[in-house]
Amino acid sequence: DVKVTQSSRYLVKRTGEKVFLECVQDMDHENMFWYRQDPGLGLRLIYFSYDVKMKEKGDIPEGYSVSREKKERFSLILESASTNQTSMYLCASRPGGVQDTQYFGPGTRLTVL
Amino acid sequence: DQQVKQNSPSLSVQEGRISILNCDYTNSMFDYFLWYKKYPAEGPTFLISISSIKDKNEDGRFTVFLNKSAKHLSLHIVPSQPGDSAVYFCAASALDSNYQLIWGAGTKLIIKP
Repeated sequence: DVKVTQSSRYLVKRTGEKVFLECVQDMDHENMFWYRQDPGLGLRLIYFSYDVKMKEKGDIPEGYSVSREKKERFSLILESASTNQTSMYLCASRPGGVQDTQYFGPGTRLTVL
Repeated sequence: DQQVKQNSPSLSVQEGRISILNCDYTNSMFDYFLWYKKYPAEGPTFLISISSIKDKNEDGRFTVFLNKSAKHLSLHIVPSQPGDSAVYFCAASALDSNYQLIWGAGTKLIIKP
């Protein structure tokens, strides 16, 4: 079974804090993704990575950065958290094929006060 | 402008009956469509997909229909079971976007006993 784990299920941070969200997959997948899910908006892609040290912007990268130093780990960084970044954050991984299924972690519910 | 629309935020169906979830899209370049299912506090899990060269794909109780001329797809669940109660997301992708997934807002399906 593919397993995608996220470092925290729930996180509460203050405005202006630097926030790290970690994601680890155990299936040697090439591709990894960070999404945020908001009511009425579905999932929106923040960043994705096709390979180690490689990253591409998604639809809503502003206010976020990412890091992929190892194949199995993809980190999302909020440089200076703001209240409009309160959301559910979902990490996914996918094998190399572009039409392969994406496998998701359980999500991190981030609240920024 | 949402390229993938799920116009019903929620749907309530009697156990044993057919559940029909609908999805509309605007981008004629989409050539691959997926349905994901999401339980509370879990990440989405892949349910079924369909390529644009087909108009139907079936997997057990789940069937996806694609009407390219209407830019519409639907997910049929027959018979509906209590465990089917979840949020269902429709997603679409295209070759010219490196098969990044574009997601609908989701439909919450409630199966009544």
